Amino acid sequence: AQSVTQPDIHITVSEGASLELRCNYSYGATPYLFWYVQSPGQGLQLLLKYFSGDTLVQGIKGFEAEFKRSQSSFNLRKPSVHWSDAAEYFCAVASLGGYQKVTFGTGTKLQVIP
Amino acid sequence: DAGVTQSPTHLIKTRGQQVTLRCSPKSGHDTVSWYQQALGQGPQFIFQYYEEEERQRGNFPDRFSGHQFPNYSSELNVNALLLGDSALYLCASSLGGQGDEQYFGPGTRLTVT
Repeated sequence: AQSVTQPDIHITVSEGASLELRCNYSYGATPYLFWYVQSPGQGLQLLLKYFSGDTLVQGIKGFEAEFKRSQSSFNLRKPSVHWSDAAEYFCAVASLGGYQKVTFGTGTKLQVIP
Repeated sequence: DAGVTQSPTHLIKTRGQQVTLRCSPKSGHDTVSWYQQALGQGPQFIFQYYEEEERQRGNFPDRFSGHQFPNYSSELNVNALLLGDSALYLCASSLGGQGDEQYFGPGTRLTVT
């Protein structure tokens, strides 16, 4: 069964500092990997996705993520965090081909301090 | 181009009652998935509908049922509500379910008292 682990429940960074959110997945074949962001009381917005090809993926809002098969990881990064990035971030995995059941991690809540 | 819409936004029900939540997919999408997001948790997959049939289901009891209409819109029904059913219910739409990304609606906040 596919699963996602986000080991950091809560992260605090200073505005302008760099950010890395960790994600480890478990899946028997090549996965589809996603990062979503959720602001309080809102639905989920897709930041970026990885299906195949270049393992460094660029997303919206200046985010990027790197797929490392050997480490079963898909960490999200941003070089300089803005106060508006404060939100909850979810890593997710889906099956490649066939019906798409998406499994989410438990999320990492990002706090940005001035 | 309207994205995924859900109604109602908020809902308060009493334990034992039944509730129906509605979802309209993004234009051009034919697949609807439903998720339950409890407070402080990630979304949990309930089921997915394609061509008016349920084709995948997560670990949810039969009290949770759904329907998809010919126009691809969908309903989620929950019977015999429990306090633990209080959550944000998210609808996501996609095309064909073949590895395409899912677009999420804003959710319906259900509170069971």
